[in-house]
Amino acid sequence: NAGVTQTPKFQVLKTGQSMTLQCAQDMNHEYMSWYRQDPGMGLRLIHYSVGAGITDQGEVPNGYNVSRSTTEDFPLRLLSAAPSQTSVYFCASSSPGTENTEAFFGQGTRLTVV
Amino acid sequence: GQSLEQPSEVTAVEGAIVQINCTYQTSGFYGLSWYQQHDGGAPTFLSYNALDGLEETGRFSSFLSRSDSYGYLLLQELQMKDSASYFCAVRRGGFKTIFGAGTRLFVKA
Repeated sequence: NAGVTQTPKFQVLKTGQSMTLQCAQDMNHEYMSWYRQDPGMGLRLIHYSVGAGITDQGEVPNGYNVSRSTTEDFPLRLLSAAPSQTSVYFCASSSPGTENTEAFFGQGTRLTVV
Repeated sequence: GQSLEQPSEVTAVEGAIVQINCTYQTSGFYGLSWYQQHDGGAPTFLSYNALDGLEETGRFSSFLSRSDSYGYLLLQELQMKDSASYFCAVRRGGFKTIFGAGTRLFVKA
């Protein structure tokens, strides 16, 4: 059982470039989300999805787009990379039930924008 | 606004007990979760409280008081491997989960 898989693990971009961070889960979870984590800080919610075809903004959505065409995949697109987007990005998935909210995280993508 | 407050650092001795507090101010509260993160790793789930009271899972326990908007994580019989960052997180309405800034725990021999 692979859980949540993120690719790539590391990426260096030049300012202005665009790219897509991939996230896939094999647990049939309806809820998926993207977070960024900056040094010494917690995780800030970028975008989330409660099911295929449904996405919504989190705390820090500017500069990022998402789509959810399947239950399994939730890619994050950086439209025009900026140095302020240098961060570690985590994708997470969970079941939307109220009894168990355990979120499973991918191993992260470490992005540097120069 | 939404906010979660937790201490930035806690230091304890191996074998001791440590408590990490979390106070929150959010709307649409469903429950409080705790996550552990080692340096360079991904967050991993520890516990979840939807109702008031204490939940125990091995050496870890978590407490919630909804009326006080307060919870804590209790770690017993501390081991060196418990040195990590610990995050409280609130699940709000619409399935949003918001994280605190984290508490870095240092366990000394």
